[in-house]
Parts: sequence; structure tokens; C-alpha cells
Amino acid sequence: AQKITQTQPGMFVQEKEAVTLDCTYDTSDPSYGLFWYKQPSSGEMIFLIYQGSYDQQNATEGRYSLNFQKARKSANLVISASQLGDSAMYFCAMREVNTGGFKTIFGAGTRLFVKA
Amino acid sequence: DSGVTQTPKHLITATGQRVTLRCSPRSGDLSVYWYQQSLDQGLQFLIQYYNGEERAKGNILERFSAQQFPDLHSELNLSSLELGDSALYFCASSVGTAEDEPQHFGDGTRLSIL
Repeated sequence: AQKITQTQPGMFVQEKEAVTLDCTYDTSDPSYGLFWYKQPSSGEMIFLIYQGSYDQQNATEGRYSLNFQKARKSANLVISASQLGDSAMYFCAMREVNTGGFKTIFGAGTRLFVKA
Repeated sequence: DSGVTQTPKHLITATGQRVTLRCSPRSGDLSVYWYQQSLDQGLQFLIQYYNGEERAKGNILERFSAQQFPDLHSELNLSSLELGDSALYFCASSVGTAEDEPQHFGDGTRLSIL
């Protein structure tokens, strides 16, 4: 069965520093996608970055990058130059491909606090 | 603004009642997904529709049902409501069913059961 594990319930980072949010996953499907979403206190879910299981290079989107280590089944999110507005809940998610559609499972999330 | 519209934003009702949550996907998106977010269960995938057809099912209770209409909007029906159904219900949409497509989430409907 699919599983996503985020072992850090909460993280603190100083403004302007980089931070890594951990995510490990478990799947037997050779084809899958990994996503990170941000949920601010206002509640909306914001897509940040995607990594495909066959992608050779790590994904990057602005200040966000994904440290994908397929053999270790990890997909850590790196946020560079943290800003106060980065304080939020961050979710790692995985999508396997089933026939005609797919389920997406989410980890429990990591709450990030950025300190001024 | 994700382009996904969910109504209502808040809903307060009593146990045993039935409610309908509505979702309009982003323009051009054919897939709609429903999720339930609660403190104890986290974010749970409920069901996915693509162009009117059910495509994937998650942890959706039998008391819950959904459908996607020809104009692509979707409704999630929750019946015989229990206190434990209190949660934030998200709708998300994507263009199709490719595994690399991000899902764009609406702002959610917060359901409170009294």
C-alpha cells in the first residue's frame, strides 16, 4: 500500500536561511508522481513543485527545490532564502497510476515557522 | 486564486442531516477530486471524476456520494451526518489524468456538525 511519511511535525528556520522538509514514501508502483503543497493559516492548498519517478534531474521552482533520492524513496523539499510568508503547513503527496485514474495520498504535514 | 470555486465556504448543520457541497473546476480542467481534511485523519482522498465518469475511489464512506455533471461541475453529497464528519472538504481539479499534472485546490468548505 502507498504510504507517505513526514517525520517533522514542526520546524523552525531563521529568515533568509534554507530549510529542508523531509518526506519518505513507499510504493511498489514503478510509475508515480511526488508533489509538495503549502497550506497557509488561511487554509488554501497551494501547489509548489512536482517530481516524476522517471525524472533524472531534481525539480526546481524558484526558491523551491526537490531533493529526490529514488533508491532511498525520499523526496525532500528545500526552501532557500526563507521568508516570513513561508510560515505554513507543508504537505508531501504521492500519486500512483491506477487504471484510468489515480489516488493521491498526503503525508501528515510539517508546520514551518520562519523567525525574523 | 486557483480558479477552483467551492460553495458554500462554511456549513453548519446537525447530526442526521444531509448536505451538498459544490465545486466548479478551473476552466479547461476535466478532472475533479474531493478530499476531506480533519485533525485526526489528515488530508484524505475521497474520489476522482474525469469528464463525468468516476475514475478513482479512496476512503469515501457509503454515506457519501459524488457526481460530475456535463458542465464539469461536481457535487459531493454527505448524508446521515455524524459529528465525526466535521472537517474541511476540498475540491481540486486538473486538466486530465496524467500523473504529472498538479491538482489545483479550491478554498474548501468547512463543515461543522453540531
